[in-house]
Amino acid sequence: GENVEQHPSTLSVQEGDSAVIKCTYSDSASNYFPWYKQELGKRPQLIIDIRSNVGEKKDQRIAVTLNKTAKHFSLHITETQPEDSAVYFCAGGYDKVIFGPGTSLSVIP
Amino acid sequence: DGGITQSPKYLFRKEGQNVTLSCEQNLNHDAMYWYRQDPGQGLRLIYYSQIVNDFQKGDIAEGYSVSREKKESFPLTVTSAQKNPTAFYLCASSITWRDQPQHFGDGTRLSIL
Repeated sequence: GENVEQHPSTLSVQEGDSAVIKCTYSDSASNYFPWYKQELGKRPQLIIDIRSNVGEKKDQRIAVTLNKTAKHFSLHITETQPEDSAVYFCAGGYDKVIFGPGTSLSVIP
Repeated sequence: DGGITQSPKYLFRKEGQNVTLSCEQNLNHDAMYWYRQDPGQGLRLIYYSQIVNDFQKGDIAEGYSVSREKKESFPLTVTSAQKNPTAFYLCASSITWRDQPQHFGDGTRLSIL
């Protein structure tokens, strides 16, 4: 069946360094790839998304890249700050949205 | 202020009891979703509704039921057939059911007494 894999499951970086989270998907019909951030005990919130007609999208310190041929997409966070610490979920799918298992990011001051 | 409201925030269920979690949205979204989140886990889809008066099973529908009689409301009932209901339940909505960002409620934490 359809699947979205996400790596790594945990990531620790020093404040100011960059963080990269990678996802792969199985359904080649997928056209929309959002990323959500979930702080402890709170709701997931959309931070950036990309559609299949573009290869890269950037919003301040956050960027997402998409390789449709290889069926993978990545989240890049530059100049990380302690408030970036959270769980990040990627998602994909065509008939229904499938979430990756999440990456717990810790930014060490 | 538009958004999604889930209630209650905390809920306790006794053995053999059915409980209903409320989800209301005033975003005029067609699609609505219910997810279950276990500690340290991702989001698993329970049910989704593409449009009012329609809904489909997700990946873990057994022991749950829903209705979508009004566009703004998508209640989830956790039945006694769900033997391990302790989890964090999240409701979400999107403008349409495909290729759109989802807006989430604050969640309901369900525990067994």
